[in-house]
Amino acid sequence: VQLVESGGGLVQPGGSLKLSCVASGFTFTNYWMTWVRQDPGKGLECVANIAQDGSEKRYMDSVKGRFTISRDNAKNSLYLQMNSLRVEDTAVYYCVRGAGWWEYWGQGTLVTVSS
Amino acid sequence: QSALTQPASVSGSPGQSITISCTGTSSDVGGYNYVAWYQQHPVKAPKLLIFDVNNRPSGVSNRFSGSKSGNTASLTISGLQAEDEADYYCSSYTSTSTPYVFGTGTEVTVL
Repeated sequence: VQLVESGGGLVQPGGSLKLSCVASGFTFTNYWMTWVRQDPGKGLECVANIAQDGSEKRYMDSVKGRFTISRDNAKNSLYLQMNSLRVEDTAVYYCVRGAGWWEYWGQGTLVTVSS
Repeated sequence: QSALTQPASVSGSPGQSITISCTGTSSDVGGYNYVAWYQQHPVKAPKLLIFDVNNRPSGVSNRFSGSKSGNTASLTISGLQAEDEADYYCSSYTSTSTPYVFGTGTEVTVL
């Protein structure tokens, strides 16, 4: 199982960024997928998750209306579109397999929101 | 959705057993058997230790065990080893709109 994130970087407050995750080594369409983030030196937060066919999506309260999770099963890919970014969104974002407990994690991609 | 409450730090000597608590509410820990525990070493991704309260993934040492009573879940590490020094996080399903909620994290120190 391999999960490879990309798309992180430095962005100004109010800006946008789209994270991508390419999955391999398992049947992507069999699993919910989740984005988890970690503020450097602090704890973990479950940002959003999405059902196998994309029909169900759930978001943490602080990103509702700003972030959109999506997937392309033909490309074995998971995405996170992040708009109206805030300083407090600064974190390492991990792509993880599953909905509720996560055995497989990507290496993470750092998103820094700063002026 | 507030984070689940864990002690900031727990310590023990090699060979001892320690227990880390994770306290939530009836909307999360107390209401569902969907508690998981993770170990995280510096600059590494978290590693799953326990899922569904007391199940270990293959390859995880049986020195790690989980339990739950009411709104509090617990992770016990027996036969403490130097390599167990890390941060530990619990997580739980929640009936609120948030997908899942994590604990505040516990730093384990091996004396």
